[in-house]
Amino acid sequence: NAGVTQTPKFQVLKTGQSMTLQCAQDMNHNSMYWYRQDPGMGLRLIYYSASEGTTDKGEVPNGYNVSRLNKREFSLRLESAAPSQTSVYFCASRAAWDTQYFGPGTRLTVL
Amino acid sequence: AQTVTQSQPEMSVQEAETVTLSCTYDTSESDYYLFWYKQPPSRQMILVIRQEAYKQQNATENRFSVNFQKAAKSFSLKISDSQLGDAAMYFCAYSSKGAQKLVFGQGTRLTINP
Repeated sequence: NAGVTQTPKFQVLKTGQSMTLQCAQDMNHNSMYWYRQDPGMGLRLIYYSASEGTTDKGEVPNGYNVSRLNKREFSLRLESAAPSQTSVYFCASRAAWDTQYFGPGTRLTVL
Repeated sequence: AQTVTQSQPEMSVQEAETVTLSCTYDTSESDYYLFWYKQPPSRQMILVIRQEAYKQQNATENRFSVNFQKAAKSFSLKISDSQLGDAAMYFCAYSSKGAQKLVFGQGTRLTINP
């Protein structure tokens, strides 16, 4: 049982480049989330998807887009990366009692 | 908006001793969940314990227990018989029931001294 998986684990981009972070869960959860974690801070919600076919903005959505490809997969896209987007990105899915389970994270550096 | 505050940026404890991490939150809701997550150096976010606000009994998971004070909006985590593997960042988090969002505190870095 893999739980929540994310690819890639590490990525270095130049300013202005684009990339997509992939996330998949095998727990049959309806809701999925993307967070970012900056040094010295807790996680902040970027976007979430309450069910297949729906997405909503979180606390810090600017500069990002998401796609809920199917029930299993939820991707995060940076169209034109900026140094301010250097962070660790976590994907999560939600189980019963509002409990969220997290992927291993992607460390992104934008030069 | 709900907020979660962890007032202790860093804590340390001797191996085998007990340590308590503090968390306070602000909400006008009556039905919600509270969580403690552990983030070791591997960065993986691991659920430690969950508390449902409507339950008066404090949650426990082996060496981990909470002191939930609903009126005071306080939710502390007690780790008994601390082990070296407990060294990590610990995050307190809040969710209004069904709200789709977790609100995190800033975290407490716990060091275990051998």
